[in-house]
Amino acid sequence: NAGVMQNPRHLVRRRGQEARLRCSPMKGHSHVYWYRQLPEEGLKFMVYLQKENIIDESGMPKERFSAEFPKEGPSILRIQQVVRGDSAAYFCASSPGLAGGAYEQYFGPGTRLTVT
Amino acid sequence: QQQVKQSPQSLIVQKGGISIINCAYENTAFDYFPWYQQFPGKGPALLIAIRPDVSEKKEGRFTISFNKSAKQFSLHIMDSQPGDSATYFCAASIAGNNRKLIWGLGTSLAVNP
Repeated sequence: NAGVMQNPRHLVRRRGQEARLRCSPMKGHSHVYWYRQLPEEGLKFMVYLQKENIIDESGMPKERFSAEFPKEGPSILRIQQVVRGDSAAYFCASSPGLAGGAYEQYFGPGTRLTVT
Repeated sequence: QQQVKQSPQSLIVQKGGISIINCAYENTAFDYFPWYQQFPGKGPALLIAIRPDVSEKKEGRFTISFNKSAKQFSLHIMDSQPGDSATYFCAASIAGNNRKLIWGLGTSLAVNP
């Protein structure tokens, strides 16, 4: 059973460019969380999605950031007009869902974004 | 304001010793407490988790101790090995808050051979 997949693993963008980060959850999981990890810090929640729905985006900056999880294909975290402060590791986690008391979140290897 | 406070920031233990990492929380609505292990350049890996209806959970060399009244929980790594050298994160979540994880700042563990 393949784990959570993220690509690219490393992404370098110049200031002002767009960054697209992709996440494919574990087979059978339809819930995805995105977290951001800044150097020497813990992880911070950004957004929680189910297929075709954004459930909770309370941790996502109001501007330049957006996320989607289409019916087909991976979840996408999109950062427009990147700035140096966006440099971080971005992780997605998949979960089987909240029903039945399934709380576990399984993480992908992350995308390390560097903005030059 | 850090909702989940983790200590120590770093820890050095001799091989075969016991590593102990502590976390404290304020929000009594938290009802799920996982620990994650992260190696450099990798994603966090779920180690062990506990619900507040039990005071201890053990899986292999890893044990979580939970003190509901003190609002504290800790990770004990028995017979620590050099391969356990990693950063450990505690976290907490609430059912009514979409189970988004609130994280401690991490503990860097080094196990000397």
